[in-house]
Amino acid sequence: KAGVTQTPRYLIKTRGQQVTLSCSPISGHRSVSWYQQTPGQGLQFLFEYFSETQRNKGNFPGRFSGRQFSNSRSEMNVSTLELGDSALYLCASSLAANRQETQYFGPGTRLLVL
Amino acid sequence: GENVEQHPSTLSVQEGDSAVIKCTYSDSASNYFPWYKQELGKRPQLIIDIRSNVGEKKDQRIAVTLNKTAKHFSLHITETQPEDSAVYFCAASFPRDSDSWGKLQFGAGTQVVVTP
Repeated sequence: KAGVTQTPRYLIKTRGQQVTLSCSPISGHRSVSWYQQTPGQGLQFLFEYFSETQRNKGNFPGRFSGRQFSNSRSEMNVSTLELGDSALYLCASSLAANRQETQYFGPGTRLLVL
Repeated sequence: GENVEQHPSTLSVQEGDSAVIKCTYSDSASNYFPWYKQELGKRPQLIIDIRSNVGEKKDQRIAVTLNKTAKHFSLHITETQPEDSAVYFCAASFPRDSDSWGKLQFGAGTQVVVTP
């Protein structure tokens, strides 16, 4: 099976712009979670989607949003970018929602905000 | 909400020695505890996990122990090798009836360096 894929892999934006990142989960996986990884803050949970519904949300401002499509692919959007949004954005997929399942990470999208 | 603390932040060991990383969590409802290894420039990968109904789990040179009463769990790596050098993250997750179901709370990570 193909692993979790993310596009684009690298992105450079300027302050005030918006960005959309995409995540394709492993085939058959219905849950997609998003994380922000920075050297100072580690892995911070953004949100989790299951069956096109946001089931959980971390402590991030409303500029961070996401959605999930019927094929389980997910996108996250960051509006009005700030310098502090520069980070590696990782998504992870898991099989089902009935119990704790292993989360498999994608390679990440590295976002640089200038 | 859940808070996961991980120690130490860096760990340097001689090849062949053991490494131990400890994590504590705050929410007694947490019931799933995975450990991820992230090599430089790569994605985090699950190396071992444990559920709250088990006290210890072992996979070759890697073992995890869980103390539910004290709310802490530890990763043990024996006979360390240079390829064990990486950042290790612990995490805690929540049961289905929790408001935080589906969410993984990660520790800050431990940079492990194994010197030959």
